[in-house]
Amino acid sequence: LAKTTQPISMDSYEGQEVNITCSHNNIATNDYITWYQQFPSQGPRFIIQGYKTKVTNEVASLFIPADRKSSTLSLPRVSLSDTAVYYCLVGERGFQKLVFGTGTRLLVSP
Amino acid sequence: DAGVIQSPRHEVTEMGQEVTLRCKPISGHNSLFWYRQTMMRGLELLIYFNNNVPIDDSGMPEDRFSAKMPNASFSTLKIQPSEPRDSAVYFCASSFRDGYEQYFGPGTRLTVT
Repeated sequence: LAKTTQPISMDSYEGQEVNITCSHNNIATNDYITWYQQFPSQGPRFIIQGYKTKVTNEVASLFIPADRKSSTLSLPRVSLSDTAVYYCLVGERGFQKLVFGTGTRLLVSP
Repeated sequence: DAGVIQSPRHEVTEMGQEVTLRCKPISGHNSLFWYRQTMMRGLELLIYFNNNVPIDDSGMPEDRFSAKMPNASFSTLKIQPSEPRDSAVYFCASSFRDGYEQYFGPGTRLTVT
């Protein structure tokens, strides 16, 4: 499994765009990049997944450069309710065994 | 759909007692996962099932832990005997076909005194 590295914590203010970068230098050809979000006292929630270039959904955007050794989760105009831990995971599509690292703790302030 | 259902939501027990955690996956999902989360170790995968069959239980910490999935709509995680270091939040998750999008339940907060 490719190892991922992401910042331990980030701070932001309401209305700002937040970009969380994840490093995965050993990503394999068949690996996809997946992000989960976990609110306090809740289980993680799938946010977005991508393989290359850019993926966008109603929650976030995922930017993946051509070499795929890193990826950036972009949250537009964050609100207080976006305060959570964000996990970056790498694995084959359909790969069952997700390995959650320490994640990035995002704190959004008024 | 109601989502993944776990019971109980909170469990407080004494060391040495048997603990059984229950999970009902989302209907139609064919994979089920049990995780444990603590401050020290983060979120760890304990075991997962595919079509009710245990596929990988390498994350199960000790023989005191066991998991079963008698049918597609029910799974249990049992700890016998329980120890204080088993105190954690236990999550159940399920997925349909591809494992990458897992739906997590609300968790069971276990405290062993």
